Amino acid sequence: DQQVKQNSPSLSVQEGRISILNCDYTNSMFDYFLWYKKYPAEGPTFLISISSIKDKNEDGRFTVFLNKSAKHLSLHIVPSQPGDSAVYFCAADRSTSGTYKYIFGTGTRLKVLA
Amino acid sequence: DVKVTQSSRYLVKRTGEKVFLECVQDMDHENMFWYRQDPGLGLRLIYFSYDVKMKEKGDIPEGYSVSREKKERFSLILESASTNQTSMYLCASSFHGTGGTGETQYFGPGTRLLVL
Repeated sequence: DQQVKQNSPSLSVQEGRISILNCDYTNSMFDYFLWYKKYPAEGPTFLISISSIKDKNEDGRFTVFLNKSAKHLSLHIVPSQPGDSAVYFCAADRSTSGTYKYIFGTGTRLKVLA
Repeated sequence: DVKVTQSSRYLVKRTGEKVFLECVQDMDHENMFWYRQDPGLGLRLIYFSYDVKMKEKGDIPEGYSVSREKKERFSLILESASTNQTSMYLCASSFHGTGGTGETQYFGPGTRLLVL
């Protein structure tokens, strides 16, 4: 039972354009969401997060949008750069669980073409 | 700067061998996690620990065990390695969060294990 889904396994975008990565979740109890970026042969690194009390969080070129009614979040990267080419994982947490666990999606491989 | 290190980057083992993967963090984090990453399946939690000598099963604990004797060190043990345990293994650590939400997890570089 995949509670966090990234339905696009891969995405190619031209340098300078917008990259939009999507993530859907099924558990309405999730209230904290994160995006991680992973390069080959490295561990994932934290990129950006959002609490369910917000619908948008921005950090430089990266913006995460949360639509609670649709149980959907998206990561926008503007403008996209070749160094953004990586696998992106979304993750969700349930603050009342007390277990400090994240549920990760399956990842989307982003390729930014120069 | 948070540092999570894993004992090996690459390992090749034979079916039936006992395998130890070690993870060390230097940030005094309470929580430590072991994941495996497989194509199309994302990151799946094997075990986690929220304190010394405490452990809890994640989503796929079968065939694995863990040990946390010291706060900074979390070991993953494959009691009898099998070919379906060939994977990338990732360790992570974090502080306890407030209100039950975990703080950001920091990952090690991963260990790519091949079981022949």
